[in-house]
Amino acid sequence: DVKVTQSSRYLVKRTGEKVFLECVQDMDHENMFWYRQDPGLGLRLIYFSYDVKMKEKGDIPEGYSVSREKKERFSLILESASTNQTSMYLCASHTGGSGANVLTFGAGSRLTVL
Amino acid sequence: QQPVQSPQAVILREGEDAVINCSSSKALYSVHWYRQKHGEAPVFLMILLKGGEQKGHEKISASFNEKKQQSSLYLTASQLSYSGTYFCGTEVGSGNTGKLIFGQGTTLQVKP
Repeated sequence: DVKVTQSSRYLVKRTGEKVFLECVQDMDHENMFWYRQDPGLGLRLIYFSYDVKMKEKGDIPEGYSVSREKKERFSLILESASTNQTSMYLCASHTGGSGANVLTFGAGSRLTVL
Repeated sequence: QQPVQSPQAVILREGEDAVINCSSSKALYSVHWYRQKHGEAPVFLMILLKGGEQKGHEKISASFNEKKQQSSLYLTASQLSYSGTYFCGTEVGSGNTGKLIFGQGTTLQVKP
């Protein structure tokens, strides 16, 4: 089974701190994604990456950046955390290529910014 | 841009049926359905492709009306294990990018 591992399940940070959320997948997937999940708003795409060192903005990139130095690792960075970034963050990966493929999600990282 | 799901919440008794709808304003390449149980990651249920091909889950079915840009998920003879939040994810363009735009979710609660 494909595994997508998010290193931190729960984090508590202070306003203005720099926050790193790490995601690692073990199936050599090309594509990786960061979503944010909020009640009543569903899953909203922050950033995604189709290859190492490549990134594209999703629907809500403001206040976030990403890094993909290795194929298996995709990091979400909050340069200066704010209280409105308190949320559940979900990482997902996708194999890419032809055919109908699905997203495999990590268990999520719940971030609280005080 | 997000697809719209309806209803927002459903409460059922075991054995009852439910339908969850997903409607998009954009032409769709595919529609995916995922279920998320409390505290867990969303899990893939079903994918419907433009052109009518359907893949998915044994006891849950779905339809995809390309012209109306709508999909419906059918849960028949619901079980307690069906409880959770259901999300539709829509893929636009030429497809197979994996880039899904999700609806706001439908919370399903099945009671004994």
